[in-house]
Amino acid sequence: GEQVEQRPPHLSVREGDSAVITCTYTDPNSYYFFWYKQEPGASLQLLMKVFSSTEINEGQGFTVLLNKKDKRLSLNLTAAHPGDSAAYFCAVRLNTGGADRLTFGKGTQLIIQP
Amino acid sequence: EAAVTQSPRNKVAVTGGKVTLSCNQTNNHNNMYWYRQDTGHGLRLIHYSYGAGSTEKGDIPDGYKASRPSQENFSLILELATPSQTSVYFCASGPWGQNTLYFGAGTRLSVL
Repeated sequence: GEQVEQRPPHLSVREGDSAVITCTYTDPNSYYFFWYKQEPGASLQLLMKVFSSTEINEGQGFTVLLNKKDKRLSLNLTAAHPGDSAAYFCAVRLNTGGADRLTFGKGTQLIIQP
Repeated sequence: EAAVTQSPRNKVAVTGGKVTLSCNQTNNHNNMYWYRQDTGHGLRLIHYSYGAGSTEKGDIPDGYKASRPSQENFSLILELATPSQTSVYFCASGPWGQNTLYFGAGTRLSVL
């Protein structure tokens, strides 16, 4: 089945710096990609969903890059601020129909230092 | 925003006891899911459902049962709880074919 590897497991950056989290996946049939943010003690909130036809997606303060050739998905946080401190999870869905079964990465704990 | 409510939020159970975790969603989503979250493992899918009356095994179903008596409700049942089932459990729902999951706040379960 699909395997998703997420790196790094822990990341600490200074306020105003950028932060990059990367996921690699194995199944070439992977078609939908997601980034979730989880603040301490809270549930998961969807940051962005990406379809395989789009390689660059921009959100508020971050960019998601999809490299289908290398099967790599990355989340780039620009000018990190304290509110970005959280756990981040990537998730991948195969284009096989049926229920939306997502395979999650193991997560990255991001800390923004003042 | 989709509303997914889990109960209880915290639960302490004894080994060998029966535990039922409940999930309710009010947005008429077809699909519902149960995940567990453990440090170093991320989220892993236990059971999911396409609609009322349906339950499907996820990636780690052993030791768990699920029940979907209605569109709104999806329960996770631990018939004989074990300490290895100590975890945080998340329920999620999603509309058919839209590839988006909405998560509940989670249930922290400790099995002693």
